[in-house]
Amino acid sequence: DVKVTQSSRYLVKRTGEKVFLECVQDMDHENMFWYRQDPGLGLRLIYFSYDVKMKEKGDIPEGYSVSREKKERFSLILESASTNQTSMYLCASSLQYYSNSDTQYFGPGTRLTVL
Amino acid sequence: KQEVTQIPAALSVPEGENLVLNCSFTDSAIYNLQWFRQDPGKGLTSLLLIQSSQREQTSGRLNASLDKSSGRSTLYIAASQPGDSATYLCAVTRGSQGNLIFGKGTKLSVKP
Repeated sequence: DVKVTQSSRYLVKRTGEKVFLECVQDMDHENMFWYRQDPGLGLRLIYFSYDVKMKEKGDIPEGYSVSREKKERFSLILESASTNQTSMYLCASSLQYYSNSDTQYFGPGTRLTVL
Repeated sequence: KQEVTQIPAALSVPEGENLVLNCSFTDSAIYNLQWFRQDPGKGLTSLLLIQSSQREQTSGRLNASLDKSSGRSTLYIAASQPGDSATYLCAVTRGSQGNLIFGKGTKLSVKP
């Protein structure tokens, strides 16, 4: 059974802190994605990675960076957390050579609150 | 720029009713269209995926249709149950790496 796990379900941090959100998948997928989900705005793509050490900006990359040192792990980094980064963060993965029958598999999400 | 719209934003129905959720998209050049379910505070679960060359897909009480030319998809739920209560998200795939563009979802409540 496919599985995407995220390091924390709930996280509370202070403004200015450096925050790491971790995502691990066990499906040997090449592509990994980070989204944030906000009421009224839906899911928006922050960054994605199609291979180890490769990354591409999504629609809202400002204030975030990512790291992919191993195929199975994709980290989202908030260098200096701000209150407007309070959100639900969702990680997903998919096959690299994407065909139109492939889907993305999502983790359970991390609810981050920045005080 | 691709935009995905879902109507209605919220829907409340009595148990046993058949219902339709709507999704529209502005650019017909899509790889596929997917319907996801999200329970409160949880991640997304894929329900149905319709490839760009297909017209519909069925899984149990769920049936999804796709009309690329008009930029529309519907999700039909037959004989709704309280356990169907969730937010339903429509997404289209752009690009060869499978990036998804989501609608804002329809929050469904099925009352016993």
